[in-house]
Amino acid sequence: TQLLEQSPQFLSIQEGENLTVYCNPSSVFSSLQWYRQEPGEGPVLLVTVVTGGEVKKLKRLTFQFGDARKDSSLHITAAQPGDTGLYLCAGRYNNNDMRFGAGTRLTVKP
Amino acid sequence: GAGVSQSPSNKVTEKGKDVELRCDPISGHTALYWYRQSLGQGLEFLIYFQGNSAPDKSGLPSDRFSAERTGGSVSTLTIQRTQQEDSAVYLCASSLGLVYNEQFFGPGTRLTVL
Repeated sequence: TQLLEQSPQFLSIQEGENLTVYCNPSSVFSSLQWYRQEPGEGPVLLVTVVTGGEVKKLKRLTFQFGDARKDSSLHITAAQPGDTGLYLCAGRYNNNDMRFGAGTRLTVKP
Repeated sequence: GAGVSQSPSNKVTEKGKDVELRCDPISGHTALYWYRQSLGQGLEFLIYFQGNSAPDKSGLPSDRFSAERTGGSVSTLTIQRTQQEDSAVYLCASSLGLVYNEQFFGPGTRLTVL
């Protein structure tokens, strides 16, 4: 059973386009994290969202946590080839135990 | 470097053999995680250590998998009688063990079972 459903599974877009990817936990998590993983490397943390309704911006990336903390989204404006990677969401489950979704694999074509 | 290190970076083994994968977490990090990532997939939780508490082994896929963390630092993931379906990248991460804290990942060990 996937605790965090991510969609879409794959996304291929042209440079300059905008996109949104989603993370839908099967239950309420007290916090969510978004990571990006590049080929051959481990995931790297992008952001942690804690409060329902929270919005965080990191340059061209905007992260939202749903009001009821039941969903989260990542929006990228004017995507660049350097944004290519696997975007993973993770939820804190049972104290400090973190569980990950399957990820959205993003390809940005020049 | 001060990051999480894993060894070996690549391991090729024959079906039925045992393998040991090592993780050196960041010094001072009390939490340590093992994940498995199959080709093109997300992270599958395997096991979690937090300080001196009993580890959360709920993600281990079978009794062929086990892990230890000695002295609250280095961890070893052991897979006995490897099967072809065990082929994957095994990732280790450590964190300060505090609420909302960041996991720092190692580069992984790519295991191939022939």
